[in-house]
Amino acid sequence: DAKTTQPNSMESNEEEPVHLPCNHSTISGTDYIHWYRQLPSQGPEYVIHGLTSNVNNRMASLAIAEDRKSSTLILHRATLRDAAVYYCIPRGGTTSGTYKYIFGTGTRLKVLA
Amino acid sequence: ETGVTQSPTHLIKTRGQQVTLRCSSQSGHNTVSWYQQALGQGPQFIFQYYREEENGRGNFPPRFSGLQFPNYSSELNVNALELDDSALYLCASSLGGLAGNNEQFFGPGTRLTVL
Repeated sequence: DAKTTQPNSMESNEEEPVHLPCNHSTISGTDYIHWYRQLPSQGPEYVIHGLTSNVNNRMASLAIAEDRKSSTLILHRATLRDAAVYYCIPRGGTTSGTYKYIFGTGTRLKVLA
Repeated sequence: ETGVTQSPTHLIKTRGQQVTLRCSSQSGHNTVSWYQQALGQGPQFIFQYYREEENGRGNFPPRFSGLQFPNYSSELNVNALELDDSALYLCASSLGGLAGNNEQFFGPGTRLTVL
């Protein structure tokens, strides 16, 4: 299983951008990089995923390094509702063996008003 | 569109008992995954069901078993409960089995306490 390394915690001021890093140096060539977040007392929530190119959606942007060994989740303007634990998860299909979602301990993001 | 629902919300059992947790997947989703989340930890993958068959399993003993029904709802059964089974159990539904690029939609979880 591909291993990930994320900071245990980060802080951001409200309305400022947040860059959440993730190292996944053992990722295989066919693994997608997924990001989920978990708000207090809720199940995880999908944020974004990508393979090689940078990706944008209404929630966030995902910047993937050219060698794919790291990625960064970007929240353009943090709000208090973005306070959550963010998980970075490499995930492949059946041929890669990494079809399971392997959640690490994630990064706990604190947003300051 | 109805999201993923789980029942019950909370459950208390004693060691050695058996428990069944239930999950209704999001409309149209044919794949259900189950996770165990201990306090302060990330979710741990238990297994996945696709079109009523188990097609992926994590490092959990056989006393953790499941079912998926024709309407794609699912059950997680745990026999011979141990104290360490106390956790939040999460169900997630998705479309397309083990494809690497499909997203999962999680339910709110069932909090199981084993005394």
